[in-house]
Amino acid sequence: GAVVSQHPSRVICKSGTSVKIECRSLDFQATTMFWYRQFPKQSLMLMATSNEGSKATYEQGVEKDKFLINHASLTLSTLTVTSAHPEDSSFYICSARGSRAYEQYFGPGTRLTVT
Amino acid sequence: GIQVEQSPPDLILQEGANSTLRCNFSDSVNNLQWFHQNPWGQLINLFYIPSGTKQNGRLSATTVATERYSLLYISSSQTTDSGVYFCAVPPSGTYKYIFGTGTRLKVLA
Repeated sequence: GAVVSQHPSRVICKSGTSVKIECRSLDFQATTMFWYRQFPKQSLMLMATSNEGSKATYEQGVEKDKFLINHASLTLSTLTVTSAHPEDSSFYICSARGSRAYEQYFGPGTRLTVT
Repeated sequence: GIQVEQSPPDLILQEGANSTLRCNFSDSVNNLQWFHQNPWGQLINLFYIPSGTKQNGRLSATTVATERYSLLYISSSQTTDSGVYFCAVPPSGTYKYIFGTGTRLKVLA
């Protein structure tokens, strides 16, 4: 149990376009999901906390108008990278909070390349 | 904010060797998780260990919350243990996780 999926697993887009990444909890309901970004050979950096039915909370330094987060249901959160640029190329990972308060389950990640 | 430091940053072992990875955190926390990130980027949860000691096969972990550190022990290492190991903690009063700096492990055959 406690499986989190992400789609797509890999995406290439042109500079200036927008791309949407989906994060789904497959076998449990997640009122809270989290989005992380990981650059090569670096750690995961938390971008934002996504709560079902309310606005996301962004970490300091993360542009909320560039990284749009929507958590429309208890099993789905989406991250849209708007007007993507090559510096947005990264590995994006989501996680979902399980029934035990401090446990989190991580998706397999989405590798974004902006050309 | 909370700082989470891991040591060593890089580690190279011969197959069969044992190792200890350390995670230090700068403030009190309600939980700590250890992860192994495989070459494809997938995070694999190893331990959920807010305190005490747990063992799972060749791996074990100990967290001493009062002294703000956790240790991950890998015994009889195998090449499939290669990858990056992260600890992650939620700062007190939150559920979001802050990841440590990571230890990159390479096990040689």
